[in-house]
Amino acid sequence: ILNVEQSPQSLHVQEGDSTNFTCSFPSSNFYALHWYRWETAKSPEALFVMTLNGDEKKKGRISATLNTKEGYSYLYIKGSQPEDSATYLCASITDKLIFGTGTRLQVFP
Amino acid sequence: GAGVSQSPSNKVTEKGKDVELRCDPISGHTALYWYRQSLGQGLEFLIYFQGNSAPDKSGLPSDRFSAERTGGSVSTLTIQRTQQEDSAVYLCASSFKGSTEAFFGQGTRLTVV
Repeated sequence: ILNVEQSPQSLHVQEGDSTNFTCSFPSSNFYALHWYRWETAKSPEALFVMTLNGDEKKKGRISATLNTKEGYSYLYIKGSQPEDSATYLCASITDKLIFGTGTRLQVFP
Repeated sequence: GAGVSQSPSNKVTEKGKDVELRCDPISGHTALYWYRQSLGQGLEFLIYFQGNSAPDKSGLPSDRFSAERTGGSVSTLTIQRTQQEDSAVYLCASSFKGSTEAFFGQGTRLTVV
């Protein structure tokens, strides 16, 4: 099974701060990289599906970049809000989805 | 249905009993995944189905765990002779094919007492 790693494990920021987290994955046999947002008491929901080296995706204040050659992706949140508090998961796909352990973000008002 | 449906949502069982967890994926989704989240842990991969076949069962923690999928649709995860360490939230997800966005069910919270 692939080893998908995320850092940091948790992050506490003040409202209005910008933040970013890292997902690293084996670059061989890469097919796609997903980012999911997982709120407490809910199920994970997809944020981005990224396939091409150099991909950049954006949804509102959240954006992500992908480097398939070196095996990493960054997720950025600009001007964090309390409602951004969640666990952010990345998943690497060869033939199946393997998730990292996530970054738990808490945004304080 | 409109989304991935899992049942039951909560299950409390006595140690040693067998349990069956059900997942009804989104219609037309060929890929189906089972994961579990134990307290304080991340998403642990259990098994993956493509259609009715399971190309990867490597995540099943022991031979007490088995899963099947029939008609390319509903899947059941069976845990025999449950142990306390099986207590977790079991999540099912489906996707159109293995590489596309996965949609998750609400999970089954299993508590073994």
